[in-house]
Amino acid sequence: AQSVTQLGSHVSVSEGALVLLRCNYSSSVPPYLFWYVQYPNQGLQLLLKYTTGATLVKGINGFEAEFKKSETSFHLTKPSAHMSDAAEYFCAVTTMNQGGKLIFGQGTELSVKP
Amino acid sequence: EPEVTQTPSHQVTQMGQEVILRCVPISNHLYFYWYRQILGQKVEFLVSFYNNEISEKSEIFDDQFSVERPDGSNFTLKIRSTKLEDSAMYFCASFEGWVDGYTFGSGTRLTVV
Repeated sequence: AQSVTQLGSHVSVSEGALVLLRCNYSSSVPPYLFWYVQYPNQGLQLLLKYTTGATLVKGINGFEAEFKKSETSFHLTKPSAHMSDAAEYFCAVTTMNQGGKLIFGQGTELSVKP
Repeated sequence: EPEVTQTPSHQVTQMGQEVILRCVPISNHLYFYWYRQILGQKVEFLVSFYNNEISEKSEIFDDQFSVERPDGSNFTLKIRSTKLEDSAMYFCASFEGWVDGYTFGSGTRLTVV
């Protein structure tokens, strides 16, 4: 069975500081990995995804993530936080099977201090 | 950009009542899903639907829940007799392939009173 663990339910950074949100996964087959962002009272917006190919994936809003198979990790980073980055971030995994369900982590709430 | 549309955005219902949540997936997508998110918790898979039938369902998706794609465009989630614990945000999603991946709607907030 697949699972996702997000370390830290709440992360607080200063504006301009590095953002690092941690995600570890468990999967018996090659995973497809996703990061979604959810702003208050809104839906889920895809930030980036890893399916195959390059392990460093760039997404929207300056975010990127690196798939590290040896560490079973897919941490999300952004060099310089903006106030507008404050939101809930979810890591998710699925298998190579077409149309497979997404399994989500518990989420990490990112706060950005001025 | 194609969107997944969900209606209504917010529904309040009395315990024991039936509710139908509606979704219009992206037209050329073949896989459809419902997820729910209880306030402050993670997003949980409910059910997936492909080729006009359920392809997978979670333990949450019991006999009180059903899904339909009645007319080739709408995709509905029905809860027959709502309970207080059904209060949550319900998200519809569709999937076409790994180029676009999964597209989520903006959700329906269901409040059972």
